[in-house]
Amino acid sequence: EDQVTQSPEALRLQEGESSSLNCSYTVSGLRGLFWYRQDPGKGPEFLFTLYSAGEEKEKERLKATLTKKESFLHITAPKPEDSATYLCVPRGSQGNLIFGKGTKLSVKP
Amino acid sequence: DVKVTQSSRYLVKRTGEKVFLECVQDMDHENMFWYRQDPGLGLRLIYFSYDVKMKEKGDIPEGYSVSREKKERFSLILESASTNQTSMYLCASSLGTGYQPQHFGDGTRLSIL
Repeated sequence: EDQVTQSPEALRLQEGESSSLNCSYTVSGLRGLFWYRQDPGKGPEFLFTLYSAGEEKEKERLKATLTKKESFLHITAPKPEDSATYLCVPRGSQGNLIFGKGTKLSVKP
Repeated sequence: DVKVTQSSRYLVKRTGEKVFLECVQDMDHENMFWYRQDPGLGLRLIYFSYDVKMKEKGDIPEGYSVSREKKERFSLILESASTNQTSMYLCASSLGTGYQPQHFGDGTRLSIL
């Protein structure tokens, strides 16, 4: 069964304190992996697509990486506006998206 | 930018009512999706559509139906609303080919009393 596990479930950082969010997945026939950001009461906002192991993508303070079993979202010198729930979403062989519970990030000033 | 618009942010209905949730996208995407999101659970797929007048069941279709008469519009219908359908409903769309991401609307928070 395809599944994804994100850790930690919640992460509290001070402004400027860099860290990483972890995503472990078991997906047969992976067809890409997406990262989304979701603010309270809103829909997920697309951040990155990773296609194959070894690939990296960057956007402002965020960098996403992919291995054959994991993906990481590195946050460098976060700001309070980076506070959100981050979703790691692998895509299965049938084109279906596999959603986990996400990591809720809080950045305190 | 992709724009997915859901007609209502908040909706309150009564048990047994027929409820329509509307979604419109402006990017000529072939694929459209309906999900529900509940606290402590990930997003769960209700129905999706790869083309006009086509629909496919997702993981939790019971109690729901959909309609796609035009490419840009995808409607979710609760045939007879029940309290366990109280949830956040999210619509998404994507291009039909390749490893394209889904783009989401801001959701409709539906309460069934």
